[in-house]
Amino acid sequence: DAGVIQSPRHEVTEMGQEVTLRCKPISGHNSLFWYRQTMMRGLELLIYFNNNVPIDDSGMPEDRFSAKMPNASFSTLKIQPSEPRDSAVYFCASSLRGLNYGYTFGSGTRLTVV
Amino acid sequence: AQKITQTQPGMFVQEKEAVTLDCTYDTSDPSYGLFWYKQPSSGEMIFLIYQGSYDQQNATEGRYSLNFQKARKSANLVISASQLGDSAMYFCAMRGATGNQFYFGTGTSLTVIP
Repeated sequence: DAGVIQSPRHEVTEMGQEVTLRCKPISGHNSLFWYRQTMMRGLELLIYFNNNVPIDDSGMPEDRFSAKMPNASFSTLKIQPSEPRDSAVYFCASSLRGLNYGYTFGSGTRLTVV
Repeated sequence: AQKITQTQPGMFVQEKEAVTLDCTYDTSDPSYGLFWYKQPSSGEMIFLIYQGSYDQQNATEGRYSLNFQKARKSANLVISASQLGDSAMYFCAMRGATGNQFYFGTGTSLTVIP
């Protein structure tokens, strides 16, 4: 099992550019989560999907952020236009649904917006 | 409302000694799962240990054990025989009865001193 795969690992972009982060969850996992981690705010849940359907996107900071999960094996998080305050590590995690199942995290994407 | 509290922003421990990282939680769910994750300086999130709210015995995984006191709503992580590689950020998390999102604490930074 390759685990949760995120790409790219690092992304440096200029303010105003569009950024797309990608995630491939573990096969068979029916829940997928996008988190953002910064020193100031810690781990923040942005959005999560159950069975490819967005359930809660209340953590998405603003309309510049959007996420999709077109199928069970792929999700994207898009920021358009990007701003320097979006600089953070973005984690994707997947799990089976249920209180006794933990997350498996991807390696994260370190985004720097200059 | 669900909440996880980690009151120790930073901890130090001598190599080979045991250390306890505190975690308290608040939930109205009758059943829930409690988790600990480790985040080394390399950034990945590593699952350590799980405790179900109805488990009669405290969970153990190698050098990790979870001191679960349900009445006090605490789920402290105990690391025995600390090693230099244990230096990392540690996050406590809870997943409620709906089995949806995790709730994370703010983390405790552990430094193991040679």
